[in-house]
Amino acid sequence: SYELTQPPSVSVSPGQTASITCSGDKLGDKYVWWFQQKPGQSPALVIYQDYKRPSGIPERFSASNSGNTATLTISGTQAMDEADYYCQAWDSSTAVFGGGTKLTVL
Amino acid sequence: EVQLVESGGGLVQPGGSLRLSCAASGFTFSSHEMNWVRQAPGKGLEWVSYISTGGSTIHYADSVKGRFTISRDDDKNSLYLQMNSLRAEDTAVYYCVRDSGSYLRGDSWGQGTLVTVSS
Repeated sequence: SYELTQPPSVSVSPGQTASITCSGDKLGDKYVWWFQQKPGQSPALVIYQDYKRPSGIPERFSASNSGNTATLTISGTQAMDEADYYCQAWDSSTAVFGGGTKLTVL
Repeated sequence: EVQLVESGGGLVQPGGSLRLSCAASGFTFSSHEMNWVRQAPGKGLEWVSYISTGGSTIHYADSVKGRFTISRDDDKNSLYLQMNSLRAEDTAVYYCVRDSGSYLRGDSWGQGTLVTVSS
């Protein structure tokens, strides 16, 4: 079965750039979605179709997908961005999530 | 405002059954594909099942195939998940998730309903 791998944790200072990676075999041949989940809340979509932002998502969220790695980038990271982030892709009509990355803003 | 409200969770013994419901409002339910996604306590997200508009196409994760059944009632604006032969590892918060086409997937999530499988 297809697998997506994310680092368990990433730390960033306020105002700096955070990058969260998601790796999978030939991931660049698939579309990737990114979800943000804050403590006690349901997940929320922040990136779809590799790099597109849903309405209401700040421009500081951007993403790319090429080769075996997709990357979510948060520029000018704010305290409110502290959350768990999950990548997702579809393979053979089933959806696969990465294990999630806890972003700490300190 | 888009709303997805799950219900039907609770405590069930191993081997038992439970039926989850998701009531949708604020959008044209029949025009959207839907999913169930679960999250075990303190763990990550796991996709469970997908149903197309009209219900003609259905997919399941291997972990639930043969035990869970997804369905929808467009007249009642509702999504369902019938869960049979429940196991301890099915313990999780179950989310109802909307897709808006093949690309804008997962654009709305419910608040979740907790299913606990334990004796």
